Amino acid sequence: QVQLVQSGAEVKKPGASVKVSCKASGYTFTTYDINWVRQATGQGLEWMGWMNPISGDAGYAQKFQGRVTITWDTSISTAYMEMSSLRSEDTGMYYCARWEETGDLKYWGQGTLVTVSS
Amino acid sequence: DIQMTQSPSTLSASVGDRVTITCRASQSISSRLAWYQQKPGKAPKVLIYKASSLESGVPLRFSGSGSGTEFTLTISSLQPDDSATYYCQQYKSYRTFGQGTKVEIK
Repeated sequence: QVQLVQSGAEVKKPGASVKVSCKASGYTFTTYDINWVRQATGQGLEWMGWMNPISGDAGYAQKFQGRVTITWDTSISTAYMEMSSLRSEDTGMYYCARWEETGDLKYWGQGTLVTVSS
Repeated sequence: DIQMTQSPSTLSASVGDRVTITCRASQSISSRLAWYQQKPGKAPKVLIYKASSLESGVPLRFSGSGSGTEFTLTISSLQPDDSATYYCQQYKSYRTFGQGTKVEIK
């Protein structure tokens, strides 16, 4: 079965960076795009960006452009999301999700809680 | 970026009621819209894709309609398990979520 398993919770100080991983299993990693979605504490869903492991393309929401980098390692079927210059407003849950051919995000990771606090 | 606006932000209804949530896009997105349900502490779950296609395993009381810039999610007969927050998401250009609609049971 398709699974996306994310790395554990992180606590960071303002100004630091964080890197979250998303390990895929149950399907061929290079067949589907991976998206990243943020949910700040008590807030709604925000789409952050996307990557295509075959083409090497990645794209970002304007809000996160320049501060977020999405990478991947096809040899271990893992995608990464790195965010720099963290601030308290970045505290929240970060999800990876697989983009289906139908356009929706059907399979989601369990989420990684990132806490930014001095 | 394409903006998505949902209404209402919250709604309270009784079991058995018909519930409708609206989502408007800032520009035409054809039928490239999905609806998600999210319960506290859980990842979102897709209900509808391509504006009106029901995801496998989703109860038939959920339906979606619309195209272009106006879309609706309808729950034909609200059940206690439907208490959740619902989001629309466009995928015409990258992705954008609506701000969410919290559905409460009276």
